[in-house]
Amino acid sequence: SQTIHQWPATLVQPVGSPLSLECTVEGTSNPNLYWYRQAAGRGLQLLFYSVGIGQISSEVPQNLSASRPQDRQFILSSKKLLLSDSGFYLCAWSAPGASHLEQYFGPGTRLTVT
Amino acid sequence: GQNIDQPTEMTATEGAIVQINCTYQTSGFNGLFWYQQHAGEAPTFLSYNVLDGLEEKGRFSSFLSRSKGYSYLLLKELQMKDSASYLCAVRDSNYQLIWGAGTKLIIKP
Repeated sequence: SQTIHQWPATLVQPVGSPLSLECTVEGTSNPNLYWYRQAAGRGLQLLFYSVGIGQISSEVPQNLSASRPQDRQFILSSKKLLLSDSGFYLCAWSAPGASHLEQYFGPGTRLTVT
Repeated sequence: GQNIDQPTEMTATEGAIVQINCTYQTSGFNGLFWYQQHAGEAPTFLSYNVLDGLEEKGRFSSFLSRSKGYSYLLLKELQMKDSASYLCAVRDSNYQLIWGAGTKLIIKP
């Protein structure tokens, strides 16, 4: 069966510090991978998605970046965090191909920028 | 622009039935999803509708009307563990999911 891991679970970082969140998927090959952010009381905002190694599409221009160095690894980074980067970050995967159905989410990382 | 509308919050009684509505305006339509999200946790998949009509899955049912841009999630025999946020999401013509802000459902004994 497929599983998705994210770490860390919680993170408190000062403004201006760097960020690296990691997501890995097990039990599937060539998944579509997604990074979302969810602000308190808000819907999910798609940040990045990837259909393959080294293929990243950015949905929202900001100070975040994503990389996919391996088939089942997706990393979200920032060189300098802003207060507005606080939120609940979710990684998700779906089966490969345009006809993929539901997305499966990791446990999330709660980021607080102070 | 693309828009998904859901009520912000609803309250219901344990054992009762509740209907959570979702209306959408998107660039194309390739299916509608309902997810459940307990506080502090990740969303989990509940249902998927791509054709008009009702899809039943145990205590949960989901309805879709594409001509009206409307869906609802029906929860029967409510249990305390059903207290959660329910997220409506529509897949647009680019196969990207557009998410609503979610409906927080509060179940009272």
